[in-house]
Amino acid sequence: QKEVEQNSGPLSVPEGAIASLNCTYSDRGSQSFFWYRQYSGKSPELIMFIYSNGDKEDGRFTAQLNKASQYVSLLIRDSQPSDSATYLCAVTLRNTDKLIFGTGTRLQVFP
Amino acid sequence: DAGVTQSPTHLIKTRGQQVTLRCSPKSGHDTVSWYQQALGQGPQFIFQYYEEEERQRGNFPDRFSGHQFPNYSSELNVNALLLGDSALYLCASSGLVFTDTQYFGPGTRLTVL
Repeated sequence: QKEVEQNSGPLSVPEGAIASLNCTYSDRGSQSFFWYRQYSGKSPELIMFIYSNGDKEDGRFTAQLNKASQYVSLLIRDSQPSDSATYLCAVTLRNTDKLIFGTGTRLQVFP
Repeated sequence: DAGVTQSPTHLIKTRGQQVTLRCSPKSGHDTVSWYQQALGQGPQFIFQYYEEEERQRGNFPDRFSGHQFPNYSSELNVNALLLGDSALYLCASSGLVFTDTQYFGPGTRLTVL
């Protein structure tokens, strides 16, 4: 079982729709949870981080964490073609700053 | 506010050679982590430097080594290059408060022929 799992996609949504990206993790000792966006040929860019159960909103982005289900998600409202990228989920374990990444979900937003 | 910088941008080497990659952290950050990202994969943790010492290490062989300087900048060295070392090498920095919140530099694309 992989430590962090994501559906590779592609996830295709029309412009203006809500994109829902999901991630599961295997270690219950996971402490912090991150979403990075990576455009083709570029480096990962931090979008959101969440530490506690529940929702965290930042502009068009909402991160949701459910530690009991070992599940973290990212919602993108009013999706734009410029949101088309690979979204990487990452977690850190307690007492370590090592980021453990999933393989990413490719999102395509079509006009 | 300067972000994380890395050099060089691209590098081509042949098998058996050695390479050194460089990273300067974001202003105010004192911790540097290095990751390797193969095509189609998520980044894999190599190691982390803090106070000029290697604090954590991932599952990479001893051919991968590093250094951190007093100004917090860092180097990644890879000896005896293999074809499989071809990847995007990413440097990330983090600060004193949210120590696991890491910001990535633009990366160095290494091609081993």
